[in-house]
Amino acid sequence: QSGLTQPPSVSGAPGQRVTLSCTGSISNIGSGYGVHWYQQLPGTAPKLLIYNNNNRPSGVPDRFSGSKSGSSASLAITGLQAEDEADYYCQTYDTSLSGSVFGTGTKVTVL
Amino acid sequence: QLVESGGGVVQPGGSLRLSCVASGFTFSSFGMHWVRQAPGKGLEWVAFIDYGGNDKYFADSVKGRLTIARDSSKNTVSLQMSSLRVDDTAVYYCAKDTGNYKFSWYFDLWGRGTLVTVS
Repeated sequence: QSGLTQPPSVSGAPGQRVTLSCTGSISNIGSGYGVHWYQQLPGTAPKLLIYNNNNRPSGVPDRFSGSKSGSSASLAITGLQAEDEADYYCQTYDTSLSGSVFGTGTKVTVL
Repeated sequence: QLVESGGGVVQPGGSLRLSCVASGFTFSSFGMHWVRQAPGKGLEWVAFIDYGGNDKYFADSVKGRLTIARDSSKNTVSLQMSSLRVDDTAVYYCAKDTGNYKFSWYFDLWGRGTLVTVS
């Protein structure tokens, strides 16, 4: 099975911690390739948030962290802020597709 | 930065050529991708061309209908689209691979996108 599965939505109050899941398979996350996360604010292009499972590009707050275990990965946002309201996508390489694959996306709502 | 152009309205079965001009980095050292997003939908990787223009990869949904090319003298990557279908309607983003003379398969720089409407 190709593709990565994410919950459609997650919500939390300001200051809370939320976790976004990303479930793959042996041909993608489980094959050992790194998992990457992107944040897409409304009406804008995606932005790299986490790369290779748990690394933050320069400028990304340390409130964002990633992890990977087996064929799944997760993104945690601690100290949730209103500006974090966006769509989040996981992404990796899929050996059976010989190409990249994105997750279905999770919309984060700050209550 | 990356700046896409060439989007527009095209009839089913028609053709369109998208371009992406890069600046601010050594274009010839990095592979380039196209990623699309249908209205209100998620991201879908479409195509990749390596830094030398020799290796090319396509999503199954576009294989045989899209071709990708690059001109390092003009810092440009293009996407030639043919036999377009209604479900090709999307914003098409150009994105830079992070691998310097290698394939990393993730993207650290994105353009603003260009809208293709097949109707």
